Parts: sequence; C-alpha cells; structure tokens
Amino acid sequence: AQKITQTQPGMFVQEKEAVTLDCTYDTSDQSYGLFWYKQPSSGEMIFLIYQGSYDEQNATEGRYSLNFQKARKSANLVISASQLGDSAMYFCAMREIFTGGGNKLTFGTGTQLKVEL
Amino acid sequence: ETGVTQSPTHLIKTRGQQVTLRCSSQSGHNTVSWYQQALGQGPQFIFQYYREEENGRGNFPPRFSGLQFPNYSSELNVNALELDDSALYLCASSQTSGSREQYFGPGTRLTVT
Repeated sequence: AQKITQTQPGMFVQEKEAVTLDCTYDTSDQSYGLFWYKQPSSGEMIFLIYQGSYDEQNATEGRYSLNFQKARKSANLVISASQLGDSAMYFCAMREIFTGGGNKLTFGTGTQLKVEL
Repeated sequence: ETGVTQSPTHLIKTRGQQVTLRCSSQSGHNTVSWYQQALGQGPQFIFQYYREEENGRGNFPPRFSGLQFPNYSSELNVNALELDDSALYLCASSQTSGSREQYFGPGTRLTVT
C-alpha cells in the first residue's frame, strides 16, 4: 500500500522568503506520480504541481517547484517569494492506478503554512 | 467552462439518519471520485465512478454508496450515520478514469450530532 508522510504540522515563513514543505512517500510501484495540492480555508483542493517518477527534471510551476529525490523517496515542495495569499493547508499526494484503469489519490496529513509580514 | 460543483454546502444530520450529497462534474468529464476529509486529516478515497459504474473503492463500509447519472453527475449516499461520519466530503472529476488530473469541488461539510 502507498503511504505519504508529512512531518511538519505547521510552518511559518516571512513574506517574500522561500519555504520548503517536506513530503516522503512509500510505494512498491515502479511508476507513480506525486502531487501537491493547496487547500485554503474555503475547502477546495487546488492543484499546484505534479512529478512523475520517470521525469528526469524536477517539476516547476511558477513560484512552485518540486525537489524530487527518488532514492530518498522524498518530494518536497518549494515555494519561492512567499505571499500572504499562500497561507493555507498543503497536501502531498500520490496517485495509485487500479487494475481496471481508474485511479485514486492517497494524501498525507498536510502542513499548515502561515505567511507573516 | 463550469467547474465542479457540490451541494449542499453544509448539512447537519442526526446519528442514524441517511444523507445524500451531490456533485456535478466539470463539462466533458466522465469520471467522478469521492473523498472524505475528517478534521485535521488528509482526504481519504471513498470510491470512483466511471461512466455510471463503480470502478474502485477505498476502505469504507457498504453503508457508503454512490451513483453516477448519464450526465456524469454523481451522488454519495451514507446510511445509518455515525458521529465519525462528520467530515468534509470532496468530489473530484476527471476527463476519464485514467486521467492524471482530478479537479476538486468546494466540498460539503457534514456534521452528525
């Protein structure tokens, strides 16, 4: 079974600084995908970034980048130039494909990020 | 393009009652997944529907059931509600069952008293 571990329940960062949110994973699959989602207090899960297990380069999406270290089974999210609007819950997730072709996401417990002035 | 919508936004039920939550998938999407998110936890997969058939299920008891309609909207039904069913229920739609991206709705907050 797949497992996602996020060991930082809460993080604080000053506005305009960079922050790294940790994520480690466990899977026996050779092919897998890793996601980061942002969840504001409104509840909706917002997709941020995706990394495939065979992608040679680390994924980047604007101010978001994913520090993927396959041997260590880690997929940390780096947010550069933090903004007040980045304050939210952040979840790391892994995609598992069913035999029938469907798929599900397995989520970690999340990290609450607070950006301060 | 209309995103994923869910109704109702909030709901309060009594233990033992039954509840139905609704989800309209994004235009052009034929797959809907449901997740339960308890307070302070990450979402947990309940099941996935593809073209009106359940094609994957998580570790939830049979009192959690679902439907998908010909227009690909979906319902989540929970019978014999328990206090632990209190959670945010999230619906996600994807273009097809194998699609990588899942687009989430705003969720339904269910409180069981």
